[in-house]
Amino acid sequence: GQNIDQPTEMTATEGAIVQINCTYQTSGFNGLFWYQQHAGEAPTFLSYNVLDGLEEKGRFSSFLSRSKGYSYLLLKELQMKDSASYLCAVRSGYALNFGKGTSLLVTP
Amino acid sequence: DTGVSQDPRHKITKRGQNVTFRCDPISEHNRLYWYRQTLGQGPEFLTYFQNEAQLEKSRLLSDRFSAERPKGSFSTLEIQRTEQGDSAMYLCASSSEQGATLYEQYFGPGTRLTVT
Repeated sequence: GQNIDQPTEMTATEGAIVQINCTYQTSGFNGLFWYQQHAGEAPTFLSYNVLDGLEEKGRFSSFLSRSKGYSYLLLKELQMKDSASYLCAVRSGYALNFGKGTSLLVTP
Repeated sequence: DTGVSQDPRHKITKRGQNVTFRCDPISEHNRLYWYRQTLGQGPEFLTYFQNEAQLEKSRLLSDRFSAERPKGSFSTLEIQRTEQGDSAMYLCASSSEQGATLYEQYFGPGTRLTVT
């Protein structure tokens, strides 16, 4: 079975740093993805981790610990446009298995 | 080619009718996926094609759902005898089997289905 948990909602202030956590228990693991989804739009790729450690890409970083079944997405220098849903997904075989998403609200 | 396209973007149908959605993947991508997303949930995997071969279909929601990719290019998803519970966003994604973006799935804008 697949169980992927992430907080439902978070609020942060413009210019701040926010960390969105994701824990998973899945029957297979071929990598962990983070996607951003604005309301009414398609998910867009942010990051991919298959080995333990930190991957940095501009204002976004993602961390993975396979032994703990844990990942986080770190967003720095928050901007208003970062208000969106952030989806954690575990690749198992061909499929991406998504969590329910974390709705992030960035306030002035 | 600017990305994955889906048609129609919105579909309203009456319960019991059949509907068909089309997805055109990024041209060099040989892998194609269908997902369903309901409000407040993440996308839910439905089926997967590699070229024209449907390699995973066990997670299609019922036998009312079927998908095809006859020539390994565009794909169609059909829902027969629609039910109100089928109302959702249907997302298509594609990926390449090589290169730096090997595992990245690119999503289309989706088809929003409303069953009345």
